[in-house]
Amino acid sequence: AQKVTQAQTEISVVEKEDVTLDCVYETRDTTYYLFWYKQPPSGELVFLIRRNSFDEQNEISGRYSWNFQKSTSSFNFTITASQVVDSAVYFCALISHGSSNTGKLIFGQGTTLQVKP
Amino acid sequence: DVKVTQSSRYLVKRTGEKVFLECVQDMDHENMFWYRQDPGLGLRLIYFSYDVKMKEKGDIPEGYSVSREKKERFSLILESASTNQTSMYLCASSEVGYGYTFGSGTRLTVV
Repeated sequence: AQKVTQAQTEISVVEKEDVTLDCVYETRDTTYYLFWYKQPPSGELVFLIRRNSFDEQNEISGRYSWNFQKSTSSFNFTITASQVVDSAVYFCALISHGSSNTGKLIFGQGTTLQVKP
Repeated sequence: DVKVTQSSRYLVKRTGEKVFLECVQDMDHENMFWYRQDPGLGLRLIYFSYDVKMKEKGDIPEGYSVSREKKERFSLILESASTNQTSMYLCASSEVGYGYTFGSGTRLTVV
């Protein structure tokens, strides 16, 4: 079975601090995709990144960076120099392609990040 | 950019009413999905569809049905609304293997 676990329910930091959101996934398939989404107070889920299982290269996009490690089944997300506008709920998600899968996106429980001024 | 439009942002319905939540996407995606989001439970898949007139149950289909008569439109139906169906409902569309694009959500309150 596929599963995504975000152990951190809520995180609170002060502006300009760095913060890492953890994501651990489970799948028996060799081909899969991992995602991060941001959900600001407005409610819409905003796509941040997609990573396939064959590409373990870490990625940086401005203040955002992602660390994908297959050895520990983790796909962690770091925000450097956090800002108040980063306050949101962040979801990690998995699409796993195998004989038992139909391409469904499986979400973690979400981590609520609060950045205080 | 793909756009997914949900017809209502906020909806209040009475217990026992039949409720329709509409979702339209404009990028010719094959796949469409309905999730509900509840605090502490994350997003849970209700139903999905890979083609017109095709539907499959997700993880929590009880009390819901869906309709996909046209490729761009995927409707979620609450046959007889109950208070435990008060939730945020999110529609999404995608191509296989790619990230989903979500609508803005419908916050449904059943009183």
